[in-house]
Order: sequence, then C-alpha cells, then structure tokens
Amino acid sequence: NAGVTQTPKFRILKIGQSMTLQCTQDMNHNYMYWYRQDPGMGLKLIYYSVGAGITDKGEVPNGYNVSRSTTEDFPLRLELAAPSQTSVYFCASSYRGGKNEQYFGPGTRLTVT
Amino acid sequence: EDKVVQSPLSLVVHEGDTVTLNCSYEVTNFRSLLWYKQEKKAPTFLFMLTSSGIEKKSGRLSSILDKKELSSILNITATQTGDSAIYLCADLSNFGNEKLTFGTGTRLTIIP
Repeated sequence: NAGVTQTPKFRILKIGQSMTLQCTQDMNHNYMYWYRQDPGMGLKLIYYSVGAGITDKGEVPNGYNVSRSTTEDFPLRLELAAPSQTSVYFCASSYRGGKNEQYFGPGTRLTVT
Repeated sequence: EDKVVQSPLSLVVHEGDTVTLNCSYEVTNFRSLLWYKQEKKAPTFLFMLTSSGIEKKSGRLSSILDKKELSSILNITATQTGDSAIYLCADLSNFGNEKLTFGTGTRLTIIP
C-alpha cells in the first residue's frame, strides 16, 4: 500500500492564482481530512469528509473548497490564493473517523507571494 | 470550541535524560486523546488513549490519560537523538463527525 499520497510536494503561487492540491489514499478509508500547519503551530482542520459525496467544514475553511467524488480521492482547491494561505498542507485518512488513528500524507509546502 | 494546550512549547535535554510532555484538553463529549510524533514531514501516530489511568507503552515511550484532570502525559526514557521531533497531542470529541483538535506541539531537542 502506498498509504496517503499528496501532490505536489512544493508549489509557489502568485496572489490571485488558483490551484488544486491532490490527495489519494489506497487503504479504503472512509474518512479523509485536510489540515494546514503554520510555522510553530499545530494542525488546523480545513475540511473533512466521512465518505464519497459528503464533505464538511473544519476550523479554517475560508478560501478553500473540496470535493469527494470517490473514496480514494479528496482534492483541496484554492481559488484565489492569498499570502495568508502560505503553509504546509497535510491530507490524512482514517478507517472510522477517530476510532482509528489518522494516517498522514507527506505534505505540500505552499508559498503564496 | 475544543481546546488543547501542550507544555512546554520546547524542551532541550541531553541524550539519556527522561522527559515528560504535558497535554491538557477542554472538549465537549471527549472520546479519546492521541499522541503523534512529527519529524521533518507528516505526523506519525504514537498512542490513542481512551480510558483513564491506563498506561500505553511502546519501547521507551509511554503515555497515560487522567480524565479527572483532563490531561495526559507522554514520557520518554533514556532519550536518543532520534527522539528529536515535535510531539503533537490531539483530542477527539464525539460531537459531530469525530474531528481531531490538535495542540501546538512540544518541540523536543536531544543533545548528544
């Protein structure tokens, strides 16, 4: 199993540009999550999904959108990039929400200038 | 709103020392508390604690939950340079769809 994979690993965006961060898991997990981690801070939940076709906002959803058309994929969309979105983004998945630990992808380091 | 506070924010010790990291939480409908280790990249899972007073151990690492005090500790004995990392604590509430709330982490540095 590859586990949770994320692409790209690094990206630099100009203010106002858009991009999609890709996340795929091959563990047949129902739950998937997007977090952002700012320097010296813990992880903050952006969006999560409890299954295909179902998504919900986390703690910091503004400026982001998600979709979950399949169990495996959970892309995160930034429509109008802002410097405040400079961060490291982690995707995670778990079998049954918090009853099993969350497995994290390697992260995407995004810089908006 | 759920809140998780970790202390200390950073800790520097010598190899071989024993360290204790602290985590306190305020959460509605608590279900479990999780510890993660984060080195250069993604957090990796260490422990999940659901019952008070039960110690979970893995080698030199151990953790215990105190539901009365709404806190948990992570102990690392005979520390090694490979233990240098950020240790994250997260609580899982039973409200909504089982979201984790993370603390800011404790940055542990082991000096050879």
